[in-house]
Amino acid sequence: DSGVTQTPKHLITATGQRVTLRCSPRSGDLSVYWYQQSLDQGLQFLIQYYNGEERAKGNILERFSAQQFPDLHSELNLSSLELGDSALYFCASSVALDRVGETQYFGPGTRLLVL
Amino acid sequence: GNSVTQMEGPVTLSEEAFLTINCTYTATGYPSLFWYVQYPGEGLQLLLKATKADDKGSNKGFEATYRKETTSFHLEKGSVQVSDSAVYFCALWDSGGGADGLTFGKGTHLIIQP
Repeated sequence: DSGVTQTPKHLITATGQRVTLRCSPRSGDLSVYWYQQSLDQGLQFLIQYYNGEERAKGNILERFSAQQFPDLHSELNLSSLELGDSALYFCASSVALDRVGETQYFGPGTRLLVL
Repeated sequence: GNSVTQMEGPVTLSEEAFLTINCTYTATGYPSLFWYVQYPGEGLQLLLKATKADDKGSNKGFEATYRKETTSFHLEKGSVQVSDSAVYFCALWDSGGGADGLTFGKGTHLIIQP
């Protein structure tokens, strides 16, 4: 158990809909990262937050957004969903920012299926 | 940009065989290197890491050495067990690459037969 929790574990929805994925980082971790794992694209970094502020963006679509709240939990919002958004979405957390060799701890993921 | 290349597999071995999973990388700056493992139905777990050239990361019998001259970080284990069956991901972190997330390879599915 990494200490990172994600809800829900599974989500089934229809095209065009909007969903929210939730992540609670390990106690004491200030950085939260979101990743998407799909069969065709592999594991891709989406976005990072540090202590409530957006820190870095990766391959995140404009239809997707995220935020980190004062209690440090984070939400990933996916809107106007398409079939190709079906994937496993991971949250990860780490203690610090930009520290060499910093370990990211991954949650169990949310599996999203868009029908 | 940054990238990681690893053999995708599946790689099928018998128990007690020697394992090598190759990983090479390209990076803008001086990256830290990681191996993560994903067991069926679970998230990723850090297996080992190295932060500078010639560093060797090791854990649970697995080892990998950071080779800057060949831009490689190959994963090895001397005697694999059935319980090592999983997907293994090589990854790098490089703040000079323009984003602060990990860059992953496509993963290598390892199957160990008794």
